[in-house]
Amino acid sequence: DVKVTQSSRYLVKRTGEKVFLECVQDMDHENMFWYRQDPGLGLRLIYFSYDVKMKEKGDIPEGYSVSREKKERFSLILESASTNQTSMYLCASSLPWAGTGTYNEQFFGPGTRLTVL
Amino acid sequence: GEDVEQSLFLSVREGDSSVINCTYTDSSSTYLYWYKQEPGAGLQLLTYIFSNMDMKQDQRLTVLLNKKDKHLSLRIADTQTGDSAIYFCALGGADGLTFGKGTHLIIQP
Repeated sequence: DVKVTQSSRYLVKRTGEKVFLECVQDMDHENMFWYRQDPGLGLRLIYFSYDVKMKEKGDIPEGYSVSREKKERFSLILESASTNQTSMYLCASSLPWAGTGTYNEQFFGPGTRLTVL
Repeated sequence: GEDVEQSLFLSVREGDSSVINCTYTDSSSTYLYWYKQEPGAGLQLLTYIFSNMDMKQDQRLTVLLNKKDKHLSLRIADTQTGDSAIYFCALGGADGLTFGKGTHLIIQP
């Protein structure tokens, strides 16, 4: 059974703290993604990575950074957490993107609900 | 870029059919997907349709695709309380999948 796991289901942090969200996949996927999900806004892409040590900004990268040192692990870092980063964070992985003509299911983790006080 | 639109909420009575709609702007995607997100969980692929099909049926689920109108729909027959979730449509875009904002399906007893 394919699996994407996230390090925490719930996390509470204080403003200004450095926060690490970890994601691990066991499918040998090249692509990994970090989204945040907020009511009424749907999924918004923060960063994605298509290979080890490679990263691309998504739609809302401000206030976040990422790290991909190993193929199976993709970390999201909040350098100095702020209250407007309270959200549900979802990690996903997929095979390499080969254009709109190919099947490209993304597999999601269970999510981390982060609260910043 | 790709624009994918969905209504935010749909309320149906238990036992009725639910129809969740999705409209999009870019028709180049060969595959169109429906994901389901149960409360407190991540997204799971529910079904998908190949763009040269008009309809795909899988037990209680029917996917309809109208390429001319750029309209995708998901019909759930005999809606049950376990169907209560957020449903996302998704299409292939320039760099990967583009998701709609999701439709929250509310089941009334």
